[in-house]
Amino acid sequence: DTEVTQTPKHLVMGMTNKKSLKCEQHMGHRAMYWYKQKAKKPPELMFVYSYEKLSINESVPSRFSPECPNSSLLNLHLHALQPEDSALYLCASSPRGPGTSLRTSSGNTIYFGEGSWLTVV
Amino acid sequence: AQKITQTQPGMFVQEKEAVTLDCTYDTSDPSYGLFWYKQPSSGEMIFLIYQGSYDQQNATEGRYSLNFQKARKSANLVISASQLGDSAMYFCAMRDGRGSNYKLTFGKGTLLTVNP
Repeated sequence: DTEVTQTPKHLVMGMTNKKSLKCEQHMGHRAMYWYKQKAKKPPELMFVYSYEKLSINESVPSRFSPECPNSSLLNLHLHALQPEDSALYLCASSPRGPGTSLRTSSGNTIYFGEGSWLTVV
Repeated sequence: AQKITQTQPGMFVQEKEAVTLDCTYDTSDPSYGLFWYKQPSSGEMIFLIYQGSYDQQNATEGRYSLNFQKARKSANLVISASQLGDSAMYFCAMRDGRGSNYKLTFGKGTLLTVNP
C-alpha cells in the first residue's frame, strides 16, 4: 500500500468553483511534488516543495496554487480551471530534495500517491 | 537534454513467462538514477526498482530485475514469472545530476498485457 495519501480520489468541478486537492505523507520525507498526467501520457512535473518551501514551479498557470502547511501535508488549490485541466493529479514525496547525491539509492526514490482524478465541466 | 526512450508501446506475455521491457536513456552527466514505475488502470504510480549509475551490480527486487548496460545506455526491466496482476503501464524514468536533479524524466511508457 502507498504511504502517500491523496484526497479526494475523484473530483468534478465547474469552471467557477474553488476546490482543493490534499496530500499527506508520514514517512518523514522532506520533498513533496505535484504532477499532472493526461490520458496516455507520462506525468509532468508541476511543483516541488523542499523543506516546506516552494523550490520549483514549472511555469504552472496561477489558477493552480500549491501550499505546504507543514512537512507532512501538501495542498493544491484550484480556481477558475478550464476543461483542458481535466487530468490525473499525482502527489509524490522523496526522502530528500533537490541536490541529493544520486550515487546511492537512499533518498532518491520518489514515491507517488494513488492520484486524484479531476474533471472540469 | 535528458531523454528516455521506450520503444515498445505495447507488449503481450503469457502468464508465468518472463518479459523484458526496453528502456534507453541519454545523459551526459556521470551521476544519474534510473527508475521503473508501474501504473495500473486505477492510476497509482507504483515504484518498482532503482539503479544508480555508480552501482556495480544490477538491481533486483523480487520478481523484478533491471538489466543495466551502462555503455549501451540501456536499463531494461525484466519481470519473471508474469502474473495477471502485472498487466499495467510501465514507465522508465531518470534523474540526473544536472542542476538540482529534482526532475524525473519519464519515457512514454509500455502497456503490458498478461494473458492467462
